[in-house]
Amino acid sequence: GQNIDQPTEMTATEGAIVQINCTYQTSGFNGLFWYQQHAGEAPTFLSYNVLDGLEEKGRFSSFLSRSKGYSYLLLKELQMKDSASYLCAVNAPTGANNLFFGTGTRLTVIP
Amino acid sequence: DVKVTQSSRYLVKRTGEKVFLECVQDMDHENMFWYRQDPGLGLRLIYFSYDVKMKEKGDIPEGYSVSREKKERFSLILESASTNQTSMYLCASSLEGGGTDTQYFGPGTRLTVL
Repeated sequence: GQNIDQPTEMTATEGAIVQINCTYQTSGFNGLFWYQQHAGEAPTFLSYNVLDGLEEKGRFSSFLSRSKGYSYLLLKELQMKDSASYLCAVNAPTGANNLFFGTGTRLTVIP
Repeated sequence: DVKVTQSSRYLVKRTGEKVFLECVQDMDHENMFWYRQDPGLGLRLIYFSYDVKMKEKGDIPEGYSVSREKKERFSLILESASTNQTSMYLCASSLEGGGTDTQYFGPGTRLTVL
């Protein structure tokens, strides 16, 4: 089966840096996505990694190590509006051509 | 911008009722997906479609069926709703196959089955 693990909850202070980890064990790998989901809203795309290394996009960066089955999402200069759930999802080509999601990490940013 | 819309934000139905959830995307995407999202379980794929009239089962298809008669519209059908189908239902679409395309999500339908 497919296994995607990420912490359930994290708390960080406004202005700080936070790293949200994701480990995965899947049959095959076609890339890893990070989504942000505010309470009661749809998930929105943040980043996509398919090669090892760091992808930077403004305050958000995402890192991938395929050999370790590991990714992290780094959020810098945290703002209150960053309080949300962050979903890690892996595309594993099982024939169904779909994404496998972790349970999400609920991040709370405090003043 | 891609826009994925769902017919209802909130829906309350009774056990045994037939329920239709509608999803429409306006970007001519090939692929459309239906997920359910439950606390502690994350998003789980129910069905997806990669073309008109084509469908594939996801991880949890039992108790559900789908219909895709037009490219922009993907419907999820609960033939006989049960209380364990109370959940948040999310529709998504992506441009083409391969699974590496970004999926764009609709706002979700929170279904309560009494």
